[in-house]
Amino acid sequence: DSGVTQTPKHLITATGQRVTLRCSPRSGDLSVYWYQQSLDQGLQFLIHYYNGEERAKGNILERFSAQQFPDLHSELNLSSLELGDSALYFCASSAPGGGSSGANVLTFGAGSRLTVL
Amino acid sequence: AQSVSQHNHHVILSEAASLELGCNYSYGGTVNLFWYVQYPGQHLQLLLKYFSGDPLVKGIKGFEAEFIKSKFSFNLRKPSVQWSDTAEYFCAVTRTGGFKTIFGAGTRLFVKA
Repeated sequence: DSGVTQTPKHLITATGQRVTLRCSPRSGDLSVYWYQQSLDQGLQFLIHYYNGEERAKGNILERFSAQQFPDLHSELNLSSLELGDSALYFCASSAPGGGSSGANVLTFGAGSRLTVL
Repeated sequence: AQSVSQHNHHVILSEAASLELGCNYSYGGTVNLFWYVQYPGQHLQLLLKYFSGDPLVKGIKGFEAEFIKSKFSFNLRKPSVQWSDTAEYFCAVTRTGGFKTIFGAGTRLFVKA
């Protein structure tokens, strides 16, 4: 157990629907990152939050949105789902600080596997 | 934009063979470099990291990696692989002080017993 909790583990839904993936970071970590892993795209960075604020954005579609709440858990909302959105969605967290203190070391959750039919 | 290239997508080795997985990144500034591993059925976990200092870094399970700044490379090595090293290996880079960690496409290693 990495300490990063993701729910649900598996989700099957239909095209056009909307889902919410949830992530609780490791205790003490202020940063949350979302990644999408698909067979043909590898591990793609979506978005990063630090203590409730968006800090970096990657290849996140406009149909996707995320937020980090005051208790530091984060949610990734995926709407108007398409077949191509089927993937493993990982959440990761990292410790506060910089450089060698470990700020860039990511601790990953087990992922949420989304299947869009 | 930053990118990370991993040279091999699939590698098959016999036990006791030596391993070297290539990784190159494209960013001219100061970077933090990582190798993560994903064992079958498990989450991604850190194998080793480089922030500064000695360019040869040692990680868990006998793995090491060498940072060659002039070549923008951070290759992963292990002198003698075991069946339990079967996993997918990801090279990753973060601009120092930045918030975005970019991953390579991954290399699937299969070690034959």
